[in-house]
Formats: sequence, C-alpha cells, structure tokens
Amino acid sequence: DTEVTQTPKHLVMGMTNKKSLKCEQHMGHRAMYWYKQKAKKPPELMFVYSYEKLSINESVPSRFSPECPNSSLLNLHLHALQPEDSALYLCASSHLSPQGFANTGELFFGEGSRLTVL
Amino acid sequence: DAKTTQPNSMESNEEEPVHLPCNHSTISGTDYIHWYRQLPSQGPEYVIHGLTSNVNNRMASLAIAEDRKSSTLILHRATLRDAAVYYCILIGNQFYFGTGTSLTVIP
Repeated sequence: DTEVTQTPKHLVMGMTNKKSLKCEQHMGHRAMYWYKQKAKKPPELMFVYSYEKLSINESVPSRFSPECPNSSLLNLHLHALQPEDSALYLCASSHLSPQGFANTGELFFGEGSRLTVL
Repeated sequence: DAKTTQPNSMESNEEEPVHLPCNHSTISGTDYIHWYRQLPSQGPEYVIHGLTSNVNNRMASLAIAEDRKSSTLILHRATLRDAAVYYCILIGNQFYFGTGTSLTVIP
C-alpha cells in the first residue's frame, strides 16, 4: 500500500463551522505533513509531524489545529475560517533519516481536500 | 532557507527530450534535490531525487552539477501525459516548494 488517503475530497463550510480534514497512510512513515495550495501557486508548508510530535509550524493561524493521534493518522481541525482560507489542502508522508528528522526519501502526497469557505 | 529557481514555463515537442533546469545556489551539504510533478487537481507526484551523483529511473534522469548549485531534470521522450507543473525542491531539514515550471507538450 503506497497511498496517502485524504478525506473528504471536497468540503464546503461556513465561517462559524467546525470541521476536520483527515489523512491516513499505512506505509510505516513517521513524518507527516500538511500543505496548503492556492490556485496556480506552489504548495506552502503548514505543519510537519515527526514521530507523532509537531516539529514544524510555519506560523499558521490558530484557526488551523493539527493533530497526529497515531503514526498512521493526521488530522487538521478547522474552526472560524475565513474565505481566503479556501484552497487545496495536501497531506504527505515520508520516512525519516536515522537522525530522526531530516527526510531523505520520497514524499508521498494524497490527492488533497478542496476546501471552500463561504 | 535554501530556495530553488526555475523558469516559469517551457514547451517541448512530443517525443523529443526535455531538459528542465533548476538553480539552488544556497543548497546545504545535507539537502537532497527532489523533483515532483503535479497535474491539475491532483497531488504532487514524486519523479526522482539525488544527492550528488546523477540518477536514473523509469520516469526520468537527474543531472546534478558538480558544485550542486544546479540540477537538470531530463525527460528522454516527452509525451502528452508529461504535461504538468514540475517542482524542484530541496529536502533535508526543510520541505519548501519553489515556483515550478509549467511544461507544455506540443503534439
């Protein structure tokens, strides 16, 4: 199984809603990532988890709350979002180097969750 | 942060080789050079990666300059399915995408 599965594929939410995006992989990867991608722009790194611990937070607003409940799952909790947060949210996973942080191998991406905030 | 610089767009005729350049003059010794491509409405797909030596796989070849400050992704025979945005990124302690090159393949 070399897939990263993201659900839902599409999500429409109001600014007062609370919703979550889910990401799952069963490749034994111990690094998992959230990226945000606006139309015709490259993916922007949001969060990195290494061994289920948050290792990078790219100054993301607190209305985005990541969670890594186990080595196979990564969630992104959404609350009080703004219309400008509408984007494609990509999850990725990878192995970690023996040093435990830097990735040296392939990043596996999911197909993304397309979020629309009304 | 080490950054990559790529041309915004390139064109190639079908069944001809394509050379996609990337500059990464601030690369650190532990950064790997990765290439990914992205089709519309899909997640990025791994193409190839390397550290110092040139690399080949079933999809492409990666030529890395001796000083590692630049690299070139080589698609040996472009097909219409190769039309995508190609990203060169440095991965080590960082995971940031550059602006990418949009490749158009002309039939």
